[in-house]
Amino acid sequence: AAGVIQSPRHLIKEKRETATLKCYPIPRHDTVYWYQQGPGQDPQFLISFYEKMQSDKGSIPDRFSAQQFSDYHSELNMSSLELGDSALYFCASSLRGEQYFGPGTRLTVT
Amino acid sequence: AQSVTQLDSQVPVFEEAPVELRCNYSSSVSVYLFWYVQYPNQGLQLLLKYLSGSTLVKGINGFEAEFNKSQTSFHLRKPSVHISDTAEYFCAVYTGTASKLTFGTGTRLQVTL
Repeated sequence: AAGVIQSPRHLIKEKRETATLKCYPIPRHDTVYWYQQGPGQDPQFLISFYEKMQSDKGSIPDRFSAQQFSDYHSELNMSSLELGDSALYFCASSLRGEQYFGPGTRLTVT
Repeated sequence: AQSVTQLDSQVPVFEEAPVELRCNYSSSVSVYLFWYVQYPNQGLQLLLKYLSGSTLVKGINGFEAEFNKSQTSFHLRKPSVHISDTAEYFCAVYTGTASKLTFGTGTRLQVTL
């Protein structure tokens, strides 16, 4: 069965640079979520989209923005990167509440 | 607001022994409950879920969990663990009003010979 796809899987950036993470949800899923998992921490909700509209917002910094496109894929844009942004970023998609997670993008900021 | 508490940050257990990982939640509305497993350097894999119906749910890899509304708990159990069960386990709660998953802080299950 098709799963959630995230790209890239690994990304290394320097401080103050910009990064774009992509997420391709499971076909026919109507909601996309973004989570950030710092080292040794639980995943923290960033933002979600339902039918291409932002549906909820969590602890997402103002330096980050996200959108969902007409083909339902989503992108998380991160600007002015800081060392503390180094984390695993998960995308999840869902239909009626049950979320399926992608493998994550590991972002390292140096 | 909803919240999830996993009281045990680490649970060491010998192989073939039973294990219970505890999870308690709080919410003012009806919830869906999930357990996810995360192996080292990997993503989150759904172990099992409670949406409605029978309070005893069975998941993959021989795990099961019981939803107890009166105690607001959703403890995860396995009668006999294997070395390969060593991983981080996250309990999570979802409500339609919040439209997101709220995770507990995780329990590290360490299985040894």
